[in-house]
Amino acid sequence: GESVGLHLPTLSVQEGDNSIINCAYSNSASDYFIWYKQESGKGPQFIIDIRSNMDKRQGQRVTVLLNKTVKHLSLQIAATQPGDSAVYFCAESSYGNNRLAFGKGNQVVVIP
Amino acid sequence: GAVVSQHPSWVICKSGTSVKIECRSLDFQATTMFWYRQFPKQSLMLMATSNEGSKATYEQGVEKDKFLINHASLTLSTLTVTSAHPEDSSFYICSAPSRVETQYFGPGTRLLVL
Repeated sequence: GESVGLHLPTLSVQEGDNSIINCAYSNSASDYFIWYKQESGKGPQFIIDIRSNMDKRQGQRVTVLLNKTVKHLSLQIAATQPGDSAVYFCAESSYGNNRLAFGKGNQVVVIP
Repeated sequence: GAVVSQHPSWVICKSGTSVKIECRSLDFQATTMFWYRQFPKQSLMLMATSNEGSKATYEQGVEKDKFLINHASLTLSTLTVTSAHPEDSSFYICSAPSRVETQYFGPGTRLLVL
């Protein structure tokens, strides 16, 4: 597969602060987007999703923003907690097609 | 939520041997499952789509004779890494959709080939 280097972009955030993680997606035909959280040595865990007919969706402590014009996706985590420390991936697909294409990942480190 | 399991969670084998990894959906049926490979500090790369009752669909660049996939039932897919070599050492993860668009991932299997 394509090598993306050995260093993930890292966001260090103080406990209690808000975190913003960004993702640029590649396929303009994608109409479904998901954020996953992956802790070390574990499989990805679903956080929140959004379809292309929306530009914002909120969950518990998380908000996803979608800007289709510039093919940009962001995940905002409110009041970041130590348990939020993980690698976060965005993924894209077309609705009805379960094949996911994952972005490069962002490491979030929460400082107590 | 839906649960997907993998077995084994980790395996060490000698170069040239074959390794089988199982992926099970524990509380739902899945006609389709997906296999990913993940190298350290990298993203998940889709390897293939496992289809119950028919042949798997492989992504470009993935050798189907190297990575054998069998979707034996609506709750089980297996990935066999044949004649494993050190470069096959990786973290292998499966996923299954329990309904449209909601995919659940297994905990992963770490393979180390000596």
